[in-house]
Amino acid sequence: DQQVKQNSPSLSVQEGRISILNCDYTNSMFDYFLWYKKYPAEGPTFLISISSIKDKNEDGRFTVFLNKSAKHLSLHIVPSQPGDSAVYFCAANSGYALNFGKGTSLLVTP
Amino acid sequence: EADIYQTPRYLVIGTGKKITLECSQTMGHDKMYWYQQDPGMELHLIHYSYGVNSTEKGDLSSESTVSRIRTEHFPLTLESARPSHTSQYLCASSDRDRQETQYFGPGTRLLVL
Repeated sequence: DQQVKQNSPSLSVQEGRISILNCDYTNSMFDYFLWYKKYPAEGPTFLISISSIKDKNEDGRFTVFLNKSAKHLSLHIVPSQPGDSAVYFCAANSGYALNFGKGTSLLVTP
Repeated sequence: EADIYQTPRYLVIGTGKKITLECSQTMGHDKMYWYQQDPGMELHLIHYSYGVNSTEKGDLSSESTVSRIRTEHFPLTLESARPSHTSQYLCASSDRDRQETQYFGPGTRLLVL
């Protein structure tokens, strides 16, 4: 039973525009959420995280929003750049490990 | 940025062979993990360790085994490789004080013929 869901397998955005990647979770015990970026044949790279006591965390072009009542988080990338093209994984901490979504493949076109 | 290394990066091997995937980290992290990922799918935890001489099985059943004799080293072994073991294997580590953030190695792509 998948507890972290990324329902959009792919997303295409023009360079300079905003990319919004979404993630839903089912376990209300999750208290820490992370976004990772992954290129093919490489390991995931940590991007940004948010604790459940916050509703927003910002780091440069990346902002993560958390809506606990809806069990939903999103990653905003502004402005999007071609180098952002990768697979983005949402993950939630269950206490001893991370639960990952299936990822969203982002393509940023010039 | 974390320093975590995996070797080999790519491995093609025949059925029945014994293989060991190496993972090392230089940050002194207590916790280490092994994940398995197939294309288009989520990462599945197969093993983790809280520290030296500690190993636990993850959520996904795996025929592999692990050991943790040194803090920096967490190898994964398959005694007899099968085509169903074909996958990408990712090693990660985290700091005890910041357990939530895991840092990943580059992964090993395994193909069993």
